[in-house]
Amino acid sequence: QVQLVESGGGLVKPGGSLRLSCVISGLSFSDTYLTWIRQAPGKGLEWVSYISPAGGTTCADSVKGRFTISRDNAKNSLYLQMDSLRVEDTAVYYCARASGSGPYGHTDHWGQGTLVTVSS
Amino acid sequence: EIVLTQSPVTLSLSPGERATLSCRASQSVGSYLAWYQQKAGQAPRLLIYDASNRATGIPARFSGSGSGTDFTLTISSLEPEDFAVYYCQQRSNWPTFGGGTKVEIK
Repeated sequence: QVQLVESGGGLVKPGGSLRLSCVISGLSFSDTYLTWIRQAPGKGLEWVSYISPAGGTTCADSVKGRFTISRDNAKNSLYLQMDSLRVEDTAVYYCARASGSGPYGHTDHWGQGTLVTVSS
Repeated sequence: EIVLTQSPVTLSLSPGERATLSCRASQSVGSYLAWYQQKAGQAPRLLIYDASNRATGIPARFSGSGSGTDFTLTISSLEPEDFAVYYCQQRSNWPTFGGGTKVEIK
């Protein structure tokens, strides 16, 4: 059974930093494309960042230069380092597996999400 | 950025009725379109990928069609558990989601 469990969310002041973690089990982690997707309260979904098995990364323009995605294959873990946080970064952050041939992928397994609140 | 426009925003139907949801892309995405269902307080669940392929465990009442810029998700006969918000997502370019269609009980 595939499980993705996020942690690390919380309340942070504008300009602050937070590191999200996602531990994944039940699949071959080192072969897996992974992504962080967020959802602001009452709003739609936004892809934030994406990482390949080899460690290649891309991210949304809205977080470029502020957020960094990384992975530790030995720990079956995905991370999102979030710096220079803004009020508009407030959202539930989901980690998810990206599948499918071709670009990026559709996300067939999701975590339960972790809430990040940026407020003074 | 490829913009996905979903319509209608809200669909009010009764159990047993047919639901037809639309997703239109601002430029061609080929067949790289997926549909997700989200219930309150839960993560989205993949329903359809690559326009017309049902994900594992998804009932046959869910079907997807379309290519290029126009896509449709059809629920042939609504069950009580189908009332939720539905999102489309493209992956032809940096992935983006549509704004969602809420299917509510009439």
